[in-house]
Amino acid sequence: NAGVTQTPKFRILKIGQSMTLQCTQDMNHNYMYWYRQDPGMGLKLIYYSVGAGITDKGEVPNGYNVSRSTTEDFPLRLELAAPSQTSVYFCASTNPGGFIYEQYFGPGTRLTVT
Amino acid sequence: DQQVKQNSPSLSVQEGRISILNCDYTNSMFDYFLWYKKYPAEGPTFLISISSIKDKNEDGRFTVFLNKSAKHLSLHIVPSQPGDSAVYFCAASGEGSSNTGKLIFGQGTTLQVKP
Repeated sequence: NAGVTQTPKFRILKIGQSMTLQCTQDMNHNYMYWYRQDPGMGLKLIYYSVGAGITDKGEVPNGYNVSRSTTEDFPLRLELAAPSQTSVYFCASTNPGGFIYEQYFGPGTRLTVT
Repeated sequence: DQQVKQNSPSLSVQEGRISILNCDYTNSMFDYFLWYKKYPAEGPTFLISISSIKDKNEDGRFTVFLNKSAKHLSLHIVPSQPGDSAVYFCAASGEGSSNTGKLIFGQGTTLQVKP
């Protein structure tokens, strides 16, 4: 049981490039989330999904897109990368049948845009 | 506007002593409060929570206190151990019936427990 896995661990992008951050969970959780954490700041919610085919915006969705075609996967797409998107990105999931606020996090992807 | 604030970026305590981490919030509609712990190069992990209808919740060495009138909560760790050295995030939710699990996080407090 791997929990929540994220790839890649590190990535350097040039301004204007695009990339997809991958997130997979093997706990059969319906709810999944993407956060970003800037230095000295807390986690900010980018997008979330309450099930396959259902996604919605969080606090800071601009510059990102998501899709949820399966229960297991919740990729985050960055289009036209900007220096302001330099951050650590965390994916998380939770079981709505349990304590919904106990979220399980992946190890993060450290992204630098230069 | 920061709805959940942790005003102390760092805290250093001696092993065996009490660690007290503080968190303030502005939204009176929050109904759940949580603490997450994060080690370097790892994702946060859930530590303990409290419902807004309670004023205290205890789990082993960890106790969370909630003061609704002051919009303040605190996490007490007794006794502190070197393995508790980590970043602690306070989080809150006030969804009512929406039930999407969305959380708002504070900035985090780095706890160092010295042997």
